[in-house]
Amino acid sequence: AQTVTQSQPEMSVQEAETVTLSCTYDTSESDYYLFWYKQPPSRQMILVIRQEAYKQQNATENRFSVNFQKAAKSFSLKISDSQLGDAAMYFCAYRWGNKLVFGAGTILRVKS
Amino acid sequence: EAGVAQSPRYKIIEKRQSVAFWCNPISGHATLYWYQQILGQGPKLLIQFQNNGVVDDSQLPKDRFSAERLKGVDSTLKIQPAKLEDSAVYLCASSFWVYEQYFGPGTRLTVT
Repeated sequence: AQTVTQSQPEMSVQEAETVTLSCTYDTSESDYYLFWYKQPPSRQMILVIRQEAYKQQNATENRFSVNFQKAAKSFSLKISDSQLGDAAMYFCAYRWGNKLVFGAGTILRVKS
Repeated sequence: EAGVAQSPRYKIIEKRQSVAFWCNPISGHATLYWYQQILGQGPKLLIQFQNNGVVDDSQLPKDRFSAERLKGVDSTLKIQPAKLEDSAVYLCASSFWVYEQYFGPGTRLTVT
C-alpha cells in the first residue's frame, strides 16, 4: 500500500527566510504524481505544486520549488522569501490513478 | 469559474443523531470525492464517484455512512447514527477524470 510520511509535525521560519518541508513516500509504482497542498485555517485545500514522476526536472511555482529524488522516494518543498500568508498546514500527497493519499501534515508558522 | 461548494460549514449534533452534508462539484467534473479529516491528520478518502457510479468505497463505514450522487452532479453524505469518533472535517473534492482534485471549504462536524 502507498504511504506518505511527513516527519516534521511543526516548522517555524522567519519572514523573508527560506524553509524546507520534508516528505517521503512508499510505492512500487513507476508512474505517479506528487503534490503539495496548503490548508489555511479556513480549511480550504489549495494546490501549491505538482510533480510528475516521469519528469526529472524539479517543479517550480514562483517562491515554491520541490526537490524530487525518485530513487530515494523523497519529495521536499522549499518556500523562499517566506511571507506571513504562507502560515498554514502543508500536506504532501501521492496520486496513482485516481487515488490520492495524504501525509499527516506539517504546520508552518511564520514569524514577523 | 465557481469552486466546489459545500454546506453546512459547521454542524454540532449529539451522538446517535443523524446528519447530512451536501456537495456541489465544479461544473463538468465527472469525479467526486468525499474525505474525512480528523484533527491533526491528513484527509482520508471515504468514497469516490465517477458520474453516478461508485468507484471506491473501501474505507466507508457502511454500517453508518452512506453517500449518493444523483444525476452525476450534486452529492450527499449521511451519517446515521453518529458516534463521537465521527467528529472531523468532511471535505468534498471534484476532478475532471484523473486530473487535479479541487477541494471545497469542508464541513466541520462536532459530535457531543
